[in-house]
Amino acid sequence: AQTVTQSQPEMSVQEAETVTLSCTYDTSESNYYLFWYKQPPSRQMILVIRQEAYKQQNATENRFSVNFQKAAKSFSLKISDSQLGDTAMYFCASNPKRGSQGNLIFGKGTKLSVKP
Amino acid sequence: EADIYQTPRYLVIGTGKKITLECSQTMGHDKMYWYQQDPGMELHLIHYSYGVNSTEKGDLSSESTVSRIRTEHFPLTLESARPSHTSQYLCASSVGIGAALVGGHYGYTFGSGTRLTVV
Repeated sequence: AQTVTQSQPEMSVQEAETVTLSCTYDTSESNYYLFWYKQPPSRQMILVIRQEAYKQQNATENRFSVNFQKAAKSFSLKISDSQLGDTAMYFCASNPKRGSQGNLIFGKGTKLSVKP
Repeated sequence: EADIYQTPRYLVIGTGKKITLECSQTMGHDKMYWYQQDPGMELHLIHYSYGVNSTEKGDLSSESTVSRIRTEHFPLTLESARPSHTSQYLCASSVGIGAALVGGHYGYTFGSGTRLTVV
């Protein structure tokens, strides 16, 4: 079965510091998509960043960037200058298989706490 | 502003009652999904739909049922609620596989969720 693994159930970081959340995935496809989602406490899940596998350049969205290592099947999320509003569950997801009709596979999530 | 709407936001209901959780989207997305999620925990796919009159069961066995009569509407029904159904239910949508193959996969848009408590 296709899998997405987030090995850090919980993490914490001091405000203004940098934190990296890990994600590894499994796929036999050559092209696919990877995503990081953010779910703040009692709030809507939102897309943070998206990466197309055939693009070697790492995606960046303001303070959020990824380290995409295709050969290692690794897709980590770096949050720079952490803010209190970054406190949330973060889910890594992949669209791993062309035949899956586009269903994303989600990891189990990492709970990030940003401390003042 | 949300493009996918879930109602109610919170629901407390007695055991044995029939309930329908509503989900509507205004983006014209072909695909829609229902996930079950305990607070702060992983997502479990319980139902999905490729389009009108198409529904499939997800990875997690669920006693709920869904229907897709209109593109924009994907309600989830529990015929007889039980305390074990207490959870958060998230609805999501995305473009269809054809659009994704042409334009790329842009992931899901999620609703705000329904927090269900069965007493």
